[in-house]
Amino acid sequence: QVQLQESGPGLVKPSETLSLTCTVSGYSISSGYYWGWIRQPPGKGLEWIGSIYHSGSTYYNPSLKSRVTISVDTSKNQFSLKLSSVTAADTAVYYCARVSVDTAMVPFDIWGQGTMVTVSS
Amino acid sequence: DIQMTQSPSTLSASVGDRVTITCRASQSISSWLAWYQQKPGKAPKLLIYKASSLESGVPSRFSGSGSGTEFTLTISSLQPDDFATYYCQQYNSYLTFGGGTKVEIK
Repeated sequence: QVQLQESGPGLVKPSETLSLTCTVSGYSISSGYYWGWIRQPPGKGLEWIGSIYHSGSTYYNPSLKSRVTISVDTSKNQFSLKLSSVTAADTAVYYCARVSVDTAMVPFDIWGQGTMVTVSS
Repeated sequence: DIQMTQSPSTLSASVGDRVTITCRASQSISSWLAWYQQKPGKAPKLLIYKASSLESGVPSRFSGSGSGTEFTLTISSLQPDDFATYYCQQYNSYLTFGGGTKVEIK
């Protein structure tokens, strides 16, 4: 079955760039579907960050767009998130996920387990 | 952008109770609404899409209704496994989640 696994540093300094990778197994990213990043600050709700297709087509949350870059590496079956100029407000559990049908703005039905990223000096 | 407001934020209920959670959109989203269940330390699980369509494998005690700006998630008979936090999500324009409703044991 399709599985997603987030990886990356658990601690990032303020003003630096947060970088995470999601490795997909059980499905080739090149075969289709949009792949996304969602985050959840401790004790708070969910926030969609952005999504990407295997072709590189992206959609970003307008409130984060100026700081977000999502890219895909089909050769490694991975997609990645970069969030620049981070502050303590970016501290959160970051999830990667796959959409439920092969189009951009639809719900996510397969999720990674999530990775906690703390922004602190 | 579209704002999603859930109520109540916390709900206390007993096993066997009928539970209803409301989600309101700041503008019409047709039926482009999903519901998720999240347990502590776990990723969200998709329960319902397109306002009322049950995701495969989800128990039939879960149901969704509504269109336009007002939506509800109903659990017909609350089970021990259902104590969790529930989120609505609109996908009419980008993706926005509601603030969540925690269903706790009464």
